[in-house]
Amino acid sequence: QSALTQPPSASGSPGQSVTISCTGTISDVGGYNYVSWYQQHPGKAPKLMIYEVSQRPSGVPDRFSGSKSGNTASLTVSGLQAEDEADYYCSSYAGSYNYVFGTGTKVTVL
Amino acid sequence: EVQLVESGGGLVQPGASLRLSCAASGFTFSSHWMQWVRQAPGKGLVWVSLINRDGSSTTYADSVKGRFTISRDNAKNTLYLQMNSLRAEDTAVYYCERGGVPGGFDYWGQGTLVTVSS
Repeated sequence: QSALTQPPSASGSPGQSVTISCTGTISDVGGYNYVSWYQQHPGKAPKLMIYEVSQRPSGVPDRFSGSKSGNTASLTVSGLQAEDEADYYCSSYAGSYNYVFGTGTKVTVL
Repeated sequence: EVQLVESGGGLVQPGASLRLSCAASGFTFSSHWMQWVRQAPGKGLVWVSLINRDGSSTTYADSVKGRFTISRDNAKNTLYLQMNSLRAEDTAVYYCERGGVPGGFDYWGQGTLVTVSS
């Protein structure tokens, strides 16, 4: 149950795009299409942004998109806005009804 | 409106026990898998435990296996986490979540803080 690996930080100017990676193994990210992404603002509960690798819940802007290649999943935020500044965590199903989270990435809007 | 409200957190000494509750409303509680996730101060999210719709199947992170027990009362729309033999490293905000989408958890409570310290 090792945490998925994410870069500690990422940044971009308003209007630009930022992509966050989430690297696991064949036992989690690579083995299942059950990767989710969560956004967390300081002092707040996490919010689901992407599920099943690339699906957006209703209400989540289409500026947020997800993808996966092999053991690495990615979240892209296009057209960065000030309110996108937050911590982002990936999560993956890891088999046998277990889940694992990523180490988290702090996104800064310059 | 879907609501999840955690309670039961507090300050306890190492070795003590605590039971967290998560009161659910606004949806059919018995139709959803539920889980607990924790976050130590200034740290990332860590998956803790998962329970199926009728409570017959549960799973745990290795770090809490044998010490924590997840359960649910579908008649009371409430999820529980019984935490025994608490350690300093269990200090965290504990969140409960609803499994509402495939492989994902779409609603989270506001969290309850557990502090284990002498």
